[in-house]
Amino acid sequence: DTEVTQTPKHLVMGMTNKKSLKCEQHMGHRAMYWYKQKAKKPPELMFVYSYEKLSINESVPSRFSPECPNSSLLNLHLHALQPEDSALYLCASSHRQGYGEKLFFGSGTQLSVL
Amino acid sequence: GNSVTQMEGPVTLSEEAFLTINCTYTATGYPSLFWYVQYPGEGLQLLLKATKADDKGSNKGFEATYRKETTSFHLEKGSVQVSDSAVYFCALSDGVNAGGTSYGKLTFGQGTILTVHP
Repeated sequence: DTEVTQTPKHLVMGMTNKKSLKCEQHMGHRAMYWYKQKAKKPPELMFVYSYEKLSINESVPSRFSPECPNSSLLNLHLHALQPEDSALYLCASSHRQGYGEKLFFGSGTQLSVL
Repeated sequence: GNSVTQMEGPVTLSEEAFLTINCTYTATGYPSLFWYVQYPGEGLQLLLKATKADDKGSNKGFEATYRKETTSFHLEKGSVQVSDSAVYFCALSDGVNAGGTSYGKLTFGQGTILTVHP
């Protein structure tokens, strides 16, 4: 199994809603990532988890709250988002958090904030 | 800081044409270099990688050679197919220290949209 599975595929939410994005991998990878991708732009790194501990937060607003319940799962909790947060949210994993590691990406959650 | 510059698209080719997508980089260290591909409605997939100077990465008929002297990693394919239509991202991974933690941060180019017509 070389897949990273993300749910839901599409999400529409209001600015006062609370929702969560989920990501799962069963490759035994110990590093997991959240990226944000705006249309026609490259992905931007948001968070990195290594061995279930948050190791990198790229100065992301607190309305985005990541969680790594175990080595296979990664969540992104969303609260009080703004319309400019509408984007494709990509989860990725790699064997380790390290230089030169190959990242495996999920298909993403397309988020629209109204 | 690190940066990656890709040739501007979109690129439109006929099937069986030769493809080149230029990529140059700026990095302070000795990065690993990657090409990722994103098909419509999907996430990114690693296409090929090279970890040191003069390495050639290859996959599915695509090739790229790590040229340290010209800081380039151009993507080539001899004969493209309609199914190669996608967005191609050049990227580099260099070691970054943040708060005592070392990690490989991917820096992406802006992406090049490739459309191949029958």
